[in-house]
Amino acid sequence: KAGVTQTPRYLIKTRGQQVTLSCSPISGHRSVSWYQQTPGQGLQFLFEYFSETQRNKGNFPGRFSGRQFSNSRSEMNVSTLELGDSALYLCASSLALATTGLVYEQYFGPGTRLTVT
Amino acid sequence: GNSVTQMEGPVTLSEEAFLTINCTYTATGYPSLFWYVQYPGEGLQLLLKATKADDKGSNKGFEATYRKETTSFHLEKGSVQVSDSAVYFCALNLNAGGTSYGKLTFGQGTILTVHP
Repeated sequence: KAGVTQTPRYLIKTRGQQVTLSCSPISGHRSVSWYQQTPGQGLQFLFEYFSETQRNKGNFPGRFSGRQFSNSRSEMNVSTLELGDSALYLCASSLALATTGLVYEQYFGPGTRLTVT
Repeated sequence: GNSVTQMEGPVTLSEEAFLTINCTYTATGYPSLFWYVQYPGEGLQLLLKATKADDKGSNKGFEATYRKETTSFHLEKGSVQVSDSAVYFCALNLNAGGTSYGKLTFGQGTILTVHP
């Protein structure tokens, strides 16, 4: 079974621009979560999508947004980029239980390395 | 809120040495606990997990036991190899209301270097 894929793997943007990152979960996984990893702040939760609905959100400004499509693929968007947005953005997918939507282990993609100049 | 505290690193060991990386947590309910490993330039790989008290997770020679009384989930390996050099993250999954939705709270990570 193919793992979680993320595109692009590397991205360089300029301050003020916007960026869209893409994530394809493991086949059959309906929950997709996004995380930001930086040397200073470590791994921080951005948001989670399940059945095309955001059901969890971390403490990030509104410039960070996301969505999930009917095939469970997800995108995240960052508008008006700032230097501090430079980070590794990780996507993770989970096999949420059909009856309850509960999630246990998450499987991560390789990440998208975003550099803002 | 929920939090995870890992022992400060980096940890440097010789091959075949015994490894312990301490992890303690604070949570308002009964979380699921995980250890993830990250190799240079890669994403996180799930190493092992435990979903209830006294569960022992194990994989590739690594073990960790979910101790509710001490709120701990320490990672151990009896004999490390050079290939175990990586960053190790302890994490928990528990949202407000006690539902295990897809939000992991991570520790700060521990860098492990193993020398031949």
